Amino acid sequence: NAGVTQTPKFQVLKTGQSMTLQCAQDMNHNSMYWYRQDPGMGLRLIYYSASEGTTDKGEVPNGYNVSRLNKREFSLRLESAAPSQTSVYFCASSPTGLAYNEQFFGPGTRLTVL
Amino acid sequence: GQQVMQIPQYQHVQEGEDFTTYCNSSTTLSNIQWYKQRPGGHPVFLIQLVKSGEVKKQKRLTFQFGEAKKNSSLHITATQTTDVGTYFCAGIAYSGAGSYQLTFGKGTKLSVIP
Repeated sequence: NAGVTQTPKFQVLKTGQSMTLQCAQDMNHNSMYWYRQDPGMGLRLIYYSASEGTTDKGEVPNGYNVSRLNKREFSLRLESAAPSQTSVYFCASSPTGLAYNEQFFGPGTRLTVL
Repeated sequence: GQQVMQIPQYQHVQEGEDFTTYCNSSTTLSNIQWYKQRPGGHPVFLIQLVKSGEVKKQKRLTFQFGEAKKNSSLHITATQTTDVGTYFCAGIAYSGAGSYQLTFGKGTKLSVIP
């Protein structure tokens, strides 16, 4: 099992460009999450999908959109990238919701916006 | 909203010394999770505590959940160089209507001097 995979691993964008970060899990988990990690800020939840067909905003959703394509895949889209979105982005999944379920994290995408 | 404070932010120890990180929540938690992130890596689940006053051990690591379910600690006995990384707590609280909110602490970065 690959667990949680993310593409790309690294990306450099110019301000105003758009891109989609891809995430897939092969553990048959219902819930998936997108986090960003900035130095000294810990992990902050951007969006999550409790189950296929549902998405909800997390702590820092502004400037992002998500799509739960199917049970395996959860993508994060930046429509018009800004330097403030320079960060490391982690996708995670869990068997069901946040309560009492450990999260499995992907390797991350390091995004730089110039 | 829910806040989770984690101290200290950094800790440098000599190999063989003990290490403790503390996590305090502004609200009563349903459960708390601990994750470890190696430099350049992704967070990896260590343990989950659910019951008031719960203590769990994993080899040299001891995890405690406070009686009021608002604080937690991770203690490492006789640190080794393999313990290097950032340790995060994640507090999960019931937010109503069948939903839970998860908030990560900002982490404690542990350095071990050989």
